[in-house]
Amino acid sequence: AAGVIQSPRHLIKEKRETATLKCYPIPRHDTVYWYQQGPGQDPQFLISFYEKMQSDKGSIPDRFSAQQFSDYHSELNMSSLELGDSALYFCASSQLYNEQFFGPGTRLTVL
Amino acid sequence: EDQVTQSPEALRLQEGESSSLNCSYTVSGLRGLFWYRQDPGKGPEFLFTLYSAGEEKEKERLKATLTKKESFLHITAPKPEDSATYLCAVQEKSNYQLIWGAGTKLIIKP
Repeated sequence: AAGVIQSPRHLIKEKRETATLKCYPIPRHDTVYWYQQGPGQDPQFLISFYEKMQSDKGSIPDRFSAQQFSDYHSELNMSSLELGDSALYFCASSQLYNEQFFGPGTRLTVL
Repeated sequence: EDQVTQSPEALRLQEGESSSLNCSYTVSGLRGLFWYRQDPGKGPEFLFTLYSAGEEKEKERLKATLTKKESFLHITAPKPEDSATYLCAVQEKSNYQLIWGAGTKLIIKP
């Protein structure tokens, strides 16, 4: 069965640089979520989109933005990166607001 | 305040030793409770959704149950490959965001 695809899987950036993470949801899923997970922590909700419109916002820094495109893929843009942004970033998708299926994640390291 | 508490934080079992993980929750109105399994460095893997008290779901060695205040994930005769962190998340009726527990790290020794 098709799963959520995320790219890149690993990303290394310097402080103050910009990063773009991509997410391709499961086909026919209409809702996409972005999460940040630090070591030993539960996933922290950042933002979600339903049918290409922002539907909910969590603890997303103002330096981050996201959007969902006409083909339903989503991108998380992160600017002015800080050391504390180093984490695993997960994308998840669902049909409406039912169970969420997670991608493999992008490991971001900020040096 | 809405919250989800998982216990224990960590659990070590011998292979074949059955046990249960607990997820207690406080929300104004439950829409659904979700169980996930997460291996280190990987995305959470969906296991079960429970919607109402009394509901039970099973998958291989795992069985999830739900009451009005808590959910249990029972693991029967576990194997080393069941070692992982098990996460519980609750979804309110009024807000579709998931409220996550901190997880239980399960280690099954051969």
